[in-house]
Amino acid sequence: DTAVSQTPKYLVTQMGNDKSIKCEQNLGHDTMYWYKQDSKKFLKIMFSYNNKELIINETVPNRFSPKSPDKAHLNLHINSLELGDSAVYFCASSPRDRGVMNTEAFFGQGTRLTVV
Amino acid sequence: AQSVTQLDSHVSVSEGTPVLLRCNYSSSYSPSLFWYVQHPNKGLQLLLKYTSAATLVKGINGFEAEFKKSETSFHLTKPSAHMSDAAEYFCVVRLNFGNEKLTFGTGTRLTIIP
Repeated sequence: DTAVSQTPKYLVTQMGNDKSIKCEQNLGHDTMYWYKQDSKKFLKIMFSYNNKELIINETVPNRFSPKSPDKAHLNLHINSLELGDSAVYFCASSPRDRGVMNTEAFFGQGTRLTVV
Repeated sequence: AQSVTQLDSHVSVSEGTPVLLRCNYSSSYSPSLFWYVQHPNKGLQLLLKYTSAATLVKGINGFEAEFKKSETSFHLTKPSAHMSDAAEYFCVVRLNFGNEKLTFGTGTRLTIIP
């Protein structure tokens, strides 16, 4: 019954590795997001997809590549991981109301990524 | 452009006393405003939202917020704090003009003193 689910919940990996975080929503929403929460709890958007199409890319390094195979999934792949990538990554989704995004986003539980 | 400022990074109140978490926003267009709560090591849960209907918005767990356009504020209140309210609270703004993203404030950590 989980609305927005992310896997894994915890991810510990070494510098230089490549890793993926998966996200799925069963709410029928058109739009999905990835947010990054840093060690000071600040949340910043990374990407937004609408119906599998990228609509927001907030100057994220090229090492981060989102992939949306269908509108219910938005995965995040990270190449050549760096220490500074350590953070909590949240996936979220929103419905669309007559073309205007005036509704809230529903968030997953987060993935805590630790790069060592 | 849109932004949101949470005026207090940390608020401590005694159990049973009122809670006030302050938020001011800046938006070129009519905004939607939200409060989210994050309990330790948990995801983000929506407390309440304002989307240009009633200016006094009631949310879950006894929280409410009032949209004041003249003051560009959306402060979160609760009459009586409970121990379970201890968490991080985020004020969030979204433009009602095609902008797809939520912009988060820096958060306010609420501590409840027994």
